[in-house]
Amino acid sequence: GAVVSQHPSWVICKSGTSVKIECRSLDFQATTMFWYRQFPKQSLMLMATSNEGSKATYEQGVEKDKFLINHASLTLSTLTVTSAHPEDSSFYICSARDRGRSLAFFGQGTRLTVV
Amino acid sequence: QKEVEQDPGPLSVPEGAIVSLNCTYSNSAFQYFMWYRQYSRKGPELLMYTYSSGNKEDGRFTAQVDKSSKYISLFIRDSQPSDSATYLCAMSEVQGAQKLVFGQGTRLTINP
Repeated sequence: GAVVSQHPSWVICKSGTSVKIECRSLDFQATTMFWYRQFPKQSLMLMATSNEGSKATYEQGVEKDKFLINHASLTLSTLTVTSAHPEDSSFYICSARDRGRSLAFFGQGTRLTVV
Repeated sequence: QKEVEQDPGPLSVPEGAIVSLNCTYSNSAFQYFMWYRQYSRKGPELLMYTYSSGNKEDGRFTAQVDKSSKYISLFIRDSQPSDSATYLCAMSEVQGAQKLVFGQGTRLTINP
């Protein structure tokens, strides 16, 4: 159990376009989902925390208008990178927190390349 | 000072060796302690978790928490080349919509 599916696993897009990344908890309910960004050989940097049915809480320095997060159900959260630029190229990882336990399970990650 | 400190390594050991990975932390409110393993270009995979102080064993892996010293460890016995990965410690306060605080991660290589 505790499977988190993230899609797509990689995407290449043109500068100025928007990209949507989906994160689904397949076999548990996730009241809270987290979105991280990871640079090569570095740890995870938390971007935002989203609770089902409410607005996401963004970490300091993260532009909420650029990284749109929607957590419409207990099993699905999406991250949309709007008007992407090459500096947005990174590895994005979602995490879903099991409703019944203080455990977080991660998706496979999405490698975004903006050209 | 970071809330969670973890030596980034890299750490390289021969196959079969016992590996010790450690993290220290400053927030005494942390109650849940986790170890994740992350292979290159993959998301982190939960390996072990413990609540409060004590030891927990799962196969070749043992997690230890010493809250008095604010120190946690992960031991890997009979290490295998497939254990080569980055290991991240993570911690959180009580149950609820609490975010995890991660260590920097330690890159581990097991040499055949």
